[in-house]
Amino acid sequence: GAVVSQHPSWVICKSGTSVKIECRSLDFQATTMFWYRQFPKQSLMLMATSNEGSKATYEQGVEKDKFLINHASLTLSTLTVTSAHPEDSSFYICSARDVSRDTNQPQHFGDGTRLSIL
Amino acid sequence: LAKTTQPISMDSYEGQEVNITCSHNNIATNDYITWYQQFPSQGPRFIIQGYKTKVTNEVASLFIPADRKSSTLSLPRVSLSDTAVYYCLVGDHTGNQFYFGTGTSLTVIP
Repeated sequence: GAVVSQHPSWVICKSGTSVKIECRSLDFQATTMFWYRQFPKQSLMLMATSNEGSKATYEQGVEKDKFLINHASLTLSTLTVTSAHPEDSSFYICSARDVSRDTNQPQHFGDGTRLSIL
Repeated sequence: LAKTTQPISMDSYEGQEVNITCSHNNIATNDYITWYQQFPSQGPRFIIQGYKTKVTNEVASLFIPADRKSSTLSLPRVSLSDTAVYYCLVGDHTGNQFYFGTGTSLTVIP
């Protein structure tokens, strides 16, 4: 149980285009999902907390107009990198928690999206 | 938020037991400790979670002393496939306030 699917796993696009990444909880409902960014040989950096039916909470230094997050249902959150540039190239990972049982459930992660902007 | 400190890297021979310690001196009363494993180009995978004393599952054990200012992930008889980065995460009971550490890169040597 507790499977999180992330799509696409890999994307290459030209500078200036927008890229949408989907994060789905396959066998549970997730009122909260998290979006991370990870550079090579570094830890995960939390970008934002996605809340179903409300606005996302962004970490300090993360541009909310650059990284649009939508969490329209209990099983789907999307991250859109708008007008992407080479410096946005990174590994993006989402996670979700199944809080239907109790609150101290761990995060379950997707397999990440490798984004390369040319 | 309780920041965590882990060794940057560790090496171990195949078949040995590996213990990775995480320091979290400012852990709060309601915080839980969770460990994850990450392979290159994959998302982290949940290993084990605990609050106090000892927790054991089919892949690892987690030891937490009474003061909870540290925790130790124990991997019995590691194999080459256990080569990965291991992260210690301390978070409150809501799961929405947490700190992801820098991780420990474990290399298992034949």
